[in-house]
Amino acid sequence: DQQVKQNSPSLSVQEGRISILNCDYTNSMFDYFLWYKKYPAEGPTFLISISSIKDKNEDGRFTVFLNKSAKHLSLHIVPSQPGDSAVYFCAAMNAGNNRKLIWGLGTSLAVNP
Amino acid sequence: DTEVTQTPKHLVMGMTNKKSLKCEQHMGHRAMYWYKQKAKKPPELMFVYSYEKLSINESVPSRFSPECPNSSLLNLHLHALQPEDSALYLCASSQLGGAKFYEQYFGPGTRLTVT
Repeated sequence: DQQVKQNSPSLSVQEGRISILNCDYTNSMFDYFLWYKKYPAEGPTFLISISSIKDKNEDGRFTVFLNKSAKHLSLHIVPSQPGDSAVYFCAAMNAGNNRKLIWGLGTSLAVNP
Repeated sequence: DTEVTQTPKHLVMGMTNKKSLKCEQHMGHRAMYWYKQKAKKPPELMFVYSYEKLSINESVPSRFSPECPNSSLLNLHLHALQPEDSALYLCASSQLGGAKFYEQYFGPGTRLTVT
């Protein structure tokens, strides 16, 4: 059972435009959510996180929105740059359950010049 | 500084070899993790150390043996691996308390090939 779902395997956007990556979850006990970026053959790079008591967190070009009632979160990248082309993973944690990260399958973002 | 370092970057080993992967962090984190990642898949948790003690073993075969010599170092000893163990092995660390305990920081990984 996939508790964290990233339903779009890939996304293509033009440089300078907004990239929106989506993530849905099924476990209402998750209390922290994270986004990671991954280039091929490298480790994931932490981008931004949000706790379940908030609905928005912003860091530079990256903003994460959380809609608890819909069990949905999204990562907005504005403006998108070619260097943002990577696989983006959504992950969630129930802090009371061994603090284990539950991962989505990733969305491959291509930002075209 | 959010750097986790891993050595070696690449490793090729035969099925009868013994080798070790090394990980180091100087962020003062007291939780350290080993993950395995196959292509186009998310990272898969193997082991967690909390305060240098093994706290989680995700039913990993005994041919993988973790070790945490001190709060900055994490090793993964490999013996009698199978070709299907070929993967990217990732180390990560996080705080155990504090406001951002849930944020895990990953190293660049060791690309392991078992022949």
